[in-house]
Amino acid sequence: ELKVEQNPLFLSMQEEKNYTIYCNYSTTSDRLYWYRQDPGKSLESLFVLLSNGAVKQEGRLMASLDTKARLSTLHITAAVHDLSATYFCAVTPSNSGYALNFGKGTSLLVTP
Amino acid sequence: NAGVMQNPRHLVRRRGQEARLRCSPMKGHSHVYWYRQLPEEGLKFMVYLQKENIIDESGMPKERFSAEFPKEGPSILRIQQVVRGDSAAYFCASSPLVAGGPTTDTQYFGPGTRLTVL
Repeated sequence: ELKVEQNPLFLSMQEEKNYTIYCNYSTTSDRLYWYRQDPGKSLESLFVLLSNGAVKQEGRLMASLDTKARLSTLHITAAVHDLSATYFCAVTPSNSGYALNFGKGTSLLVTP
Repeated sequence: NAGVMQNPRHLVRRRGQEARLRCSPMKGHSHVYWYRQLPEEGLKFMVYLQKENIIDESGMPKERFSAEFPKEGPSILRIQQVVRGDSAAYFCASSPLVAGGPTTDTQYFGPGTRLTVL
């Protein structure tokens, strides 16, 4: 069974600070996704990472993938309150490109 | 282009009743996926459907749960004789081609149906 672990699960950080969320997964995978979820809302796709060494950036968020270490990171630069949300990473097993396996999520709270 | 639509958004059922959750995919999307999110957990894959076909139901509980995606109309997730452990948020996602294929097709999620079983 493909397992996906995120840490930390809860993160409270001050505005303008930097931080990194980690996502480890247990078996070979073709691709890794990052999603954002606001309370009571649906999941919004942030990044899709397809290959080893892939790096994508959007605004204050940057995601990277190391397939050898089975590790992805979501780096937050100079956090602002609008980034407060729950962030999920998800991985699809190599033999099933559609069945997303999600981590438990990281609840991020950005405070002044 | 309207996003993935789900209804109802909130559903309350008593133990033993039936729950029907509906999902209308984005226009032009013919692939539908259902996920369940238990409290404090990530989403778990349940089933993948194309029009009139169940492609993969490996994540569905063997009893009481069923899903369909008819030629016309929304996809339906049906839970018979609900129990308290069925209380969760149920999300539907859709994609234009099968997700995880040669393209980077992402699954687009609906707002979810929050089922509460009393």
